[in-house]
Amino acid sequence: NAGVTQTPKFQVLKTGQSMTLQCAQDMNHNSMYWYRQDPGMGLRLIYYSASEGTTDKGEVPNGYNVSRLNKREFSLRLESAAPSQTSVYFCASSGSVVSGNTIYFGEGSWLTVV
Amino acid sequence: SQQGEEDPQALSIQEGENATMNCSYKTSINNLQWYRQNSGRGLVHLILIRSNEREKHSGRLRVTLDTSKKSSSLLITASRAADTASYFCATVRGADGLTFGKGTHLIIQP
Repeated sequence: NAGVTQTPKFQVLKTGQSMTLQCAQDMNHNSMYWYRQDPGMGLRLIYYSASEGTTDKGEVPNGYNVSRLNKREFSLRLESAAPSQTSVYFCASSGSVVSGNTIYFGEGSWLTVV
Repeated sequence: SQQGEEDPQALSIQEGENATMNCSYKTSINNLQWYRQNSGRGLVHLILIRSNEREKHSGRLRVTLDTSKKSSSLLITASRAADTASYFCATVRGADGLTFGKGTHLIIQP
């Protein structure tokens, strides 16, 4: 049982390049999330998907797009990377958090935009 | 914006001592969760307390919740060097997952 798997682990991009962060979960969770973590800022929600076929903006969606490809996979795309998007990105999944389910996180993707 | 705010931002104690971290939040919640993050790793769930609960225990962890003060505390008893990590509180408001605070960085001195 792998849990939440995200790739790549590390990536360096030049300003203006595009890339996609991939995420997959094997826990049959309905909800999936993308967070970014910056020093001194905690985790901020970029986008989430409450169920297959739906996506919604979180706190900091600008510059990102997402795709909920199927129940297992939720990808995050940077269309034109900017230095401000240098961060650690975490994918996560859960059952209903309102019902008391916890969120399971991937190990993170370190992205540097130069 | 962050819903929860942890206090202190950093805490350094001797091994064997107790560590207490506090979390304040702004709006009504469904439940509050605490997570731990080791350096360079993802977050791991520690404990959840529901809005109708006041105290909960799990091993060396004790969590309290005061909804009238919109605050929670996490107590780690008999700390160990392996407890060195960042600790985050997170609140649930609805279907959009959890909102995290900025975390308390805990250092246990051997």
